Amino acid sequence: DGGITQSPKYLFRKEGQNVTLSCEQNLNHDAMYWYRQDPGQGLRLIYYSQIVNDFQKGDIAEGYSVSREKKESFPLTVTSAQKNPTAFYLCASSMGDRGTGANVLTFGAGSRLTVL
Amino acid sequence: AQKITQTQPGMFVQEKEAVTLDCTYDTSDQSYGLFWYKQPSSGEMIFLIYQGSYDEQNATEGRYSLNFQKARKSANLVISASQLGDSAMYFCAMSTRGGSYIPTFGRGTSLIVHP
Repeated sequence: DGGITQSPKYLFRKEGQNVTLSCEQNLNHDAMYWYRQDPGQGLRLIYYSQIVNDFQKGDIAEGYSVSREKKESFPLTVTSAQKNPTAFYLCASSMGDRGTGANVLTFGAGSRLTVL
Repeated sequence: AQKITQTQPGMFVQEKEAVTLDCTYDTSDQSYGLFWYKQPSSGEMIFLIYQGSYDEQNATEGRYSLNFQKARKSANLVISASQLGDSAMYFCAMSTRGGSYIPTFGRGTSLIVHP
């Protein structure tokens, strides 16, 4: 079955450590996204990529980094520069901008990061 | 700039009753899309329904319908015949031409269905 796989599901990090969240899709989607979810805040965009080897900052990119070396993969690194990294992280993909508003996202199951 | 507002933090409904979840939006773009997603306690976001700004008919998908009132900039979700499995968080989202059609999400509404 086609879908998005995020790993790990749960991750604990000590302050000062970098951690990388994995996101893999087999939907042949061009675009991939990372959102952060905090209680009562909805989803906020961290980074997105519309094509391999290219990505753009979202609304809250500070303290995060990404790469898009393969179409299927869009890993997110939470660096020690991120002041409050404890959150639920959702990866998504879509066919991308087709010139209409119908950019439907398919989401992974999420990764919950806790800083100890 | 685009903005999505969901003013209901929580809603309760009796099983088999209908419920309306409110969503208003703000954009100066003429071309945009509106979406509703469901997030059960497991955490995964599930796409429910889509409405394009040029669509004249309200979108429907099974028990879900989107009440699109363009002049009022509202895109309310109506769930008919609620089921216990409908208990979840519901998020309204919008994508606009000026925003490269990257979806922006509201803060969500928690729906609890009582037996």
